Amino acid sequence: GQSLEQPSEVTAVEGAIVQINCTYQTSGFYGLSWYQQHDGGAPTFLSYNALDGLEETGRFSSFLSRSDSYGYLLLQELQMKDSASYFCAVRDQNGGFKTIFGAGTRLFVKA
Amino acid sequence: DTAVSQTPKYLVTQMGNDKSIKCEQNLGHDTMYWYKQDSKKFLKIMFSYNNKELIINETVPNRFSPKSPDKAHLNLHINSLELGDSAVYFCASSQDSAERAFFGQGTRLTVV
Repeated sequence: GQSLEQPSEVTAVEGAIVQINCTYQTSGFYGLSWYQQHDGGAPTFLSYNALDGLEETGRFSSFLSRSDSYGYLLLQELQMKDSASYFCAVRDQNGGFKTIFGAGTRLFVKA
Repeated sequence: DTAVSQTPKYLVTQMGNDKSIKCEQNLGHDTMYWYKQDSKKFLKIMFSYNNKELIINETVPNRFSPKSPDKAHLNLHINSLELGDSAVYFCASSQDSAERAFFGQGTRLTVV
């Protein structure tokens, strides 16, 4: 089966940098994605890593280490609007491609 | 144009009823999914269809039956609704092995 672990909550202040870690276990690993979900909204795609290393997209960066089954999402210059839930998700190719989500990390950004 | 649209957005119904949620995507994607998000925000995959064929059926009660009339549509029919079915149901689509899934706005189902 598959499993993903990420912290349930993180709190940070505006302007700060926060890192949300994710460890995973799956036999059909294809890539690691990150999604953001605001209350009452739909998950929206942030980034994807298939290979080891850092991917940067504006204020957000995502890192993957396949050998450690570990990744993280880095959010810089935090803004109040970044308060949301962040999900790491494994792209799994066993039995057909599917995206398996972690339980989500609730980020609270304080002024 | 909305990429993935699902209807209705809200659904309140009594236990024992049968209801359907519709989903359509205009992205030309091959694969569509249904996810269930419970009150603790856990997003669990239920079904995946690729080109109208069921390829993933996670452990879901057989009261839930997906139907894909064509690759742009994936509907979810639920029989004999139970209180525990209350959740937000998200439809999503992706292009086969592509990394990005696009989600619909969600359907908040409340069973009373």
